[in-house]
Amino acid sequence: RKEVEQDPGPFNVPEGATVAFNCTYSNSASQSFFWYRQDCRKEPKLLMSVYSSGNEDGRFTAQLNRASQYISLLIRDSKLSDSATYLCVVGASGGSYIPTFGRGTSLIVHP
Amino acid sequence: DVKVTQSSRYLVKRTGEKVFLECVQDMDHENMFWYRQDPGLGLRLIYFSYDVKMKEKGDIPEGYSVSREKKERFSLILESASTNQTSMYLCASTLGSAQETQYFGPGTRLLVL
Repeated sequence: RKEVEQDPGPFNVPEGATVAFNCTYSNSASQSFFWYRQDCRKEPKLLMSVYSSGNEDGRFTAQLNRASQYISLLIRDSKLSDSATYLCVVGASGGSYIPTFGRGTSLIVHP
Repeated sequence: DVKVTQSSRYLVKRTGEKVFLECVQDMDHENMFWYRQDPGLGLRLIYFSYDVKMKEKGDIPEGYSVSREKKERFSLILESASTNQTSMYLCASTLGSAQETQYFGPGTRLLVL
């Protein structure tokens, strides 16, 4: 399995700011991509899947760049409640059952 | 909603004890996973199972074993707990392939003294 890399941060931003995270992956055969959110001392939960055409869910936008092998997550109008760790996940490929998790990017939104 | 439950939220054990962590999912998922998560190291796969009685090693299987006798239940066993197994243990499941969403249990924080 190949690596998935993320900047660990922390990203410290004020409320209302726009912040973007990137995640690079090394397996060009990867077919599925996800962003998970993990609150402190809690389990990861799916934030959104990342589609080839990009997708948006409210203040969150995820994009995939296959040529450069990275995915991104953009958060607009940051809220205090957005403070969390964001995990990039690349789905398995080649018949494997095992997705690959990045180590996460920490976001702190302050008043 | 998919529900993944783990037998304990917090556990304190002594070195050398045998430890059982249980995970149950209620959505008839095929695949189940055990991870540990440590600061700065992210999630690391210990074992996973793609069917009843089937298991495969992940990245860090040493010191652990697993059991999947029923589809809904996946157990992680620490044969002889050591202090370096102090960690957060997370169970997850997916319906079919690992191209799909992983649903996690709430985690077990294990402290080995």
